[in-house]
Formats: sequence, C-alpha cells, structure tokens
Amino acid sequence: GESVGLHLPTLSVQEGDNSIINCAYSNSASDYFIWYKQESGKGPQFIIDIRSNMDKRQGQRVTVLLNKTVKHLSLQIAATQPGDSAVYFCAPGEKLTFGTGTRLTIIP
Amino acid sequence: NAGVTQTPKFRILKIGQSMTLQCTQDMNHNYMYWYRQDPGMGLKLIYYSVGAGITDKGEVPNGYNVSRSTTEDFPLRLELAAPSQTSVYFCAIRRSGSYEQYFGPGTRLTVT
Repeated sequence: GESVGLHLPTLSVQEGDNSIINCAYSNSASDYFIWYKQESGKGPQFIIDIRSNMDKRQGQRVTVLLNKTVKHLSLQIAATQPGDSAVYFCAPGEKLTFGTGTRLTIIP
Repeated sequence: NAGVTQTPKFRILKIGQSMTLQCTQDMNHNYMYWYRQDPGMGLKLIYYSVGAGITDKGEVPNGYNVSRSTTEDFPLRLELAAPSQTSVYFCAIRRSGSYEQYFGPGTRLTVT
C-alpha cells in the first residue's frame, strides 16, 4: 500500500532563512504529488504540485524537488516569513492519504 | 462564492448520541471527501463521493455513514458516537481533471 511519510516531524527556521521539508513515498506508481500547508485551526491548503515526469517545479517562494530514484520529495521555502509557520503535508495526487506532516516554526 | 462550508464548527456529544456533520459546496465539483484528523496526526479518509448518488469507503469508514443526493451536499452521519470519534472532521472537494482538493474549515467534535 501507499506510504507517505516525513523524515522530520518538526523543523525550526530563522525568519528570512530558507527551509527544506522532506517527504518519502513507497509506491512507485504514484505519478502526481501535492504539497499542502495547514495552519493552526484551519483546513489544509494547496501549495504546489509536481508530476512524476518532472524533477523540479517552482512556484512563488516555493520549489518542489522530486527524486524518483530514492522515492523522495522535498519542499523548499525561500526567505521564510512568520506566515509560513504551519504543518506541511505531501500527498500522492491519485490517492487520498496524507502523512503526519512536518511542523515548521519560523523563529523571529 | 463560499467554496466549502461545514457546520457546525464545534460540537460536544455524549456517548451513544447521533449527529450529522454538514458539508456544502458551491463550486459544482464532482468529488467530495470526508477526513478526520486526530490531534497531532495526519488526515485519514473516511468516505468519498465521485458524484451525486455515488459514495465509497475510505480508510476508516466504521462508525460513519454518508449520502450524496445532490452535487452540493455531502453529509456525514455518526449513529452511535464513541470517544474514539473525538476528532476534527474536514470536508474537501475536487473537480474532475485536477488532483487539488479544497478543504472546508472543519468541525471539531468531542465525544464524552
């Protein structure tokens, strides 16, 4: 079955620094991945997605990297801001399971 | 355009009581989902629907029922509430051709 997990449950980053959040998956058949952000007391919110035929995709201040060889995803957030503090999940697009997530805390 | 609306926001139930969590969308998306999220944990899929009249079980359906008589509404029913159902419940929608899900604000349920 699908296994989507995060390497680190918590991550603290100084405001203005870059952050990297990691995600591992086990199902090689996954062809689409999404990153969600969940702020305290709110529902998850879409950030960025990537197809399995891509290695990298960039958005506004965010970049997702996909390494199919080691079945690993990462979400890079540039110049972190206080509003980036949240839990971040990766999810395989065609399935409906989410890992525990990584809690990112931005230190002022 | 409210997107996804969930009611109530909070509810406390006694063991054995029943209730319906409401989810309504105004985006005309075919796909609707119910998730639960326990404290400090990820989301688990309870039930989902690919369109009006069609529902299917997710990862943790026991103790719940759903119906989808219209595109807009996807209520989640708890018949005999148990403490293990204490959780935050999220409804989400998705349009055909996209994997992006839009989530409602959630319902926080406590069963004591």
